Amino acid sequence: EAGVTQFPSHSVIEKGQTVTLRCDPISGHDNLYWYRRVMGKEIKFLLHFVKESKQDESGMPNNRFLAERTGGTYSTLKVQPAELEDSGVYFCASSKELDRGREQYFGPGTRLTVT
Amino acid sequence: KNEVEQSPQNLTAQEGEFITINCSYSVGISALHWLQQHPGGGIVSLFMLSSGKKKHGRLIATINIQEKHSSLHITASHPRDSAVYICAVRFLFISNFGNEKLTFGTGTRLTIIP
Repeated sequence: EAGVTQFPSHSVIEKGQTVTLRCDPISGHDNLYWYRRVMGKEIKFLLHFVKESKQDESGMPNNRFLAERTGGTYSTLKVQPAELEDSGVYFCASSKELDRGREQYFGPGTRLTVT
Repeated sequence: KNEVEQSPQNLTAQEGEFITINCSYSVGISALHWLQQHPGGGIVSLFMLSSGKKKHGRLIATINIQEKHSSLHITASHPRDSAVYICAVRFLFISNFGNEKLTFGTGTRLTIIP
């Protein structure tokens, strides 16, 4: 079974540009999560999809961030326009069912650098 | 405020030593995860706990729900154990429906010297 994959692995963009990150969850996993770690800080939750619906987007920092999961399969996270403070590692995770004990499987992350 | 604290932040030990990393959290949880991240690598889930103790190879994780505390132990540590170890919890709310998000500690950077 393939794990969670993320693309790209690294992205370097200039302030003001747009970047789109992609996450492909494990096949059959309805739950998809986006997290990020900015320099020197702990990993923080951004949002949670159940299939194609946003279940919880309380962690999204501002309206420059847009997440989508059309069709309930892969998800994209767009940052537009990017700011310096958006630099960090963006992780995606997936889990199979909506169960309070369900394990989350993490992708390798996308390292975003905004210059 | 729902918080997760880990200690120590950094730990350097000699190969073979017994390692303990601690995690404390502020309010009730439904699950606690121990995660591992090697330099330049992705995040790997080591354990998910809601009570008691789990063991996998040289790794042991324990949790005390009453004291809101968990420990990760590594026996006979090896240089390949060098990584960042992260504690993450799912806090318990009145209604947990849909509340799957994890709250993370800052991580413990472990270095095992040969």
